[in-house]
Amino acid sequence: KAGVTQTPRYLIKTRGQQVTLSCSPISGHRSVSWYQQTPGQGLQFLFEYFSETQRNKGNFPGRFSGRQFSNSRSEMNVSTLELGDSALYLCASYPFQREFDTQYFGPGTRLTVL
Amino acid sequence: GQQVMQIPQYQHVQEGEDFTTYCNSSTTLSNIQWYKQRPGGHPVFLIQLVKSGEVKKQKRLTFQFGEAKKNSSLHITATQTTDVGTYFCAGGGYSGGGADGLTFGKGTHLIIQP
Repeated sequence: KAGVTQTPRYLIKTRGQQVTLSCSPISGHRSVSWYQQTPGQGLQFLFEYFSETQRNKGNFPGRFSGRQFSNSRSEMNVSTLELGDSALYLCASYPFQREFDTQYFGPGTRLTVL
Repeated sequence: GQQVMQIPQYQHVQEGEDFTTYCNSSTTLSNIQWYKQRPGGHPVFLIQLVKSGEVKKQKRLTFQFGEAKKNSSLHITATQTTDVGTYFCAGGGYSGGGADGLTFGKGTHLIIQP
């Protein structure tokens, strides 16, 4: 099976702009989660989607939002970008078939905010 | 909320030496997962431990889950240059699974000197 794909891989934006990142999960996986990874804070959970519904949300401001489509593909959006939003954004997919799922991460989108 | 502490943050070893990283949770975990991230890459799932006192081996890697299910360790015997990367533990809570149940440690960066 093909792995998790994320587009774009690299992005440069300026403060105040908005950005949309895309994630295509492994075929058959119904759940997608998003993480922000920075050197200082490590991997921080953003949100999780299952069957087009947001199940959980991490401790991030409302500028961060996401959605999932009927084919399980997911997008996340960050509005009014700040310098501190520069990070690697990772999406992970999993089947949601058993109690403890392992997560399969995509290659990430490297966002730089100038 | 649940916190997962991982030590050490950095570990320098000579090639051929052993390496151990430790993970401690503030609460009892339902399961613990270990991931490896190569420089410039994304986290890749290594293993999941569920049972109290569980020990699993993968070639030169040995994973342990504490009796109280609050701590875990990863030990690498006779490190090789291919072991370079950051090792993350991720502890699962008892919120019914899903991504919010996984709290990642900040990782241990393994640096190997030939």
